[in-house]
Amino acid sequence: KQEVTQIPAALSVPEGENLVLNCSFTDSAIYNLQWFRQDPGKGLTSLLLIQSSQREQTSGRLNASLDKSSGRSTLYIAASQPGDSATYLCAVIRGAQKLVFGQGTRLTINP
Amino acid sequence: EPEVTQTPSHQVTQMGQEVILRCVPISNHLYFYWYRQILGQKVEFLVSFYNNEISEKSEIFDDQFSVERPDGSNFTLKIRSTKLEDSAMYFCASSEQGMAQHFGDGTRLSIL
Repeated sequence: KQEVTQIPAALSVPEGENLVLNCSFTDSAIYNLQWFRQDPGKGLTSLLLIQSSQREQTSGRLNASLDKSSGRSTLYIAASQPGDSATYLCAVIRGAQKLVFGQGTRLTINP
Repeated sequence: EPEVTQTPSHQVTQMGQEVILRCVPISNHLYFYWYRQILGQKVEFLVSFYNNEISEKSEIFDDQFSVERPDGSNFTLKIRSTKLEDSAMYFCASSEQGMAQHFGDGTRLSIL
């Protein structure tokens, strides 16, 4: 059974810092990995999708990497801003497009 | 930018009653999903739907649950006889094949 773990559970950093969020998964036979952000009481906003043949994806200040052999992904956020404060979720896909989610990292950027 | 829309945003129902949650997926997407998130817990997969049939379902998705695409735009989740433990945020999502899943803002279901 696929398990997804995100470390740390919470992170608080001053504005302007670069930071890395970690995601690990137990079964490396995944199709894709997707990163989301979730604001309190809101839905999930898709940030990046890394397909199994790719090693990384970039969107603006965000960069996500994928190492299937070690069962790890990282989300790098450059020059963090208070608006980046949210919970960040990673999810892996295997089978009929079923997403398996981690618990999330709650990120706070302090002005 | 196209988005997934869900209605209602909040549903309060008495235990044992039927509830229908509604979703309008992104128009050119062919794969549809329901997930739920109990307060403070992980987002959990319920069911995926393609070509008018269920592709995969979790153990949570028992006989009390059903999904339907009644027309070309709506996708619904029905819970026949709600239980207290069905209280959660329910998310609808849609995607193209092999592409990112896009989620709606969710329906908060409260069972009294």
